[in-house]
Amino acid sequence: GESVGLHLPTLSVQEGDNSIINCAYSNSASDYFIWYKQESGKGPQFIIDIRSNMDKRQGQRVTVLLNKTVKHLSLQIAATQPGDSAVYFCAENMYEDSSYKLIFGSGTRLLVRP
Amino acid sequence: DAGITQSPRHKVTETGTPVTLRCHQTENHRYMYWYRQDPGHGLRLIHYSYGVKDTDKGEVSDGYSVSRSKTEDFLLTLESATSSQTSVYFCAISEGQGSTDTQYFGPGTRLTVL
Repeated sequence: GESVGLHLPTLSVQEGDNSIINCAYSNSASDYFIWYKQESGKGPQFIIDIRSNMDKRQGQRVTVLLNKTVKHLSLQIAATQPGDSAVYFCAENMYEDSSYKLIFGSGTRLLVRP
Repeated sequence: DAGITQSPRHKVTETGTPVTLRCHQTENHRYMYWYRQDPGHGLRLIHYSYGVKDTDKGEVSDGYSVSRSKTEDFLLTLESATSSQTSVYFCAISEGQGSTDTQYFGPGTRLTVL
């Protein structure tokens, strides 16, 4: 696919199992976080977001957890399906040089075994 | 892809030639961004625009220029392409640049500089 990284950490799960993808962020002052999904040959696609005044947010089959104490985000995917196979990026909206900038993690590749 | 198109989708060019990539949006969003994505580096911001004729540099702006003459179009120009600019280029848009403004991405352009 498009250049998403040759040495990405990879999570392999059985179809139907739950997946948990983790991400550490850098700035304790960041107050908004986003998870993106990138399929081969496509651009990053917004999945779910969370503000720093929350510790959990649920979407359709996805849940994001935020632990500000240890600067950690996780994305949980319930009943993982083959269509969930992709690279997943977390991003933090960081205030720097008088503006907000999205800082992306390096990504995790999710492989779903049939 | 949130009403964002990029053209061309693929391009092969030679070192030293000028190249222009186009991003077009139908969302009337004020902010537009150009990123490049490379193995081992994730997504890195090249330039962004906060309105017609208003642009600013990102993390990796050397060798690139941008222009925005209309709200819907944001052009990225490589004045004299080099092999190090071989990459996948993504355009993104957002309504604002506040702490909770989400960026939405286009499908990408794969550029190869020989």
